[in-house]
Amino acid sequence: LAKTTQPISMDSYEGQEVNITCSHNNIATNDYITWYQQFPSQGPRFIIQGYKTKVTNEVASLFIPADRKSSTLSLPRVSLSDTAVYYCLVGEWDTGRRALTFGSGTRLQVQP
Amino acid sequence: DVKVTQSSRYLVKRTGEKVFLECVQDMDHENMFWYRQDPGLGLRLIYFSYDVKMKEKGDIPEGYSVSREKKERFSLILESASTNQTSMYLCASTTVQETQYFGPGTRLLVL
Repeated sequence: LAKTTQPISMDSYEGQEVNITCSHNNIATNDYITWYQQFPSQGPRFIIQGYKTKVTNEVASLFIPADRKSSTLSLPRVSLSDTAVYYCLVGEWDTGRRALTFGSGTRLQVQP
Repeated sequence: DVKVTQSSRYLVKRTGEKVFLECVQDMDHENMFWYRQDPGLGLRLIYFSYDVKMKEKGDIPEGYSVSREKKERFSLILESASTNQTSMYLCASTTVQETQYFGPGTRLLVL
């Protein structure tokens, strides 16, 4: 099963762009990469999902290089409310059953 | 909007009690999951189900069982609760492209 690796924590200031990278060396051909945001005492919330190249929505961008062994979540102009834990998720199949692996999460702290 | 609901936000039980945690989703998803989340350990998969009456063990199934009698409902059962099962329990359901939608979580305290 593929494993994902993320930085444990990151610090930023309001208005800055934040980039969080996730490594997934054994990603399979049909796997998607998904990022989630989690606030304390809440369930994770979907942010963005991609397969290759670049995906952008109203809250973030996701950059995936050609080899797909890593991905980068980009949050433009963060605010205090973006302080949360961010998880990288890679969908994978193991002998016909679906096993989903969460990364360890990156704790982002945004300072004023 | 996809909605995943869990039967309780907070629950306090005693050691040895049988505990039921219920999860309901309203988007006709085939796949449903139960995770537990503990500080420093991230989300760990307990069980998942890809169809009614089907279930698969996740990474930490010991001490738990599940039931999926209807497509929209996935129950997690602690047959005899123990203090090491004190945790946050999260239910999720999944689309074909594996976008997981999570419920709000149940914080269980076993005394």
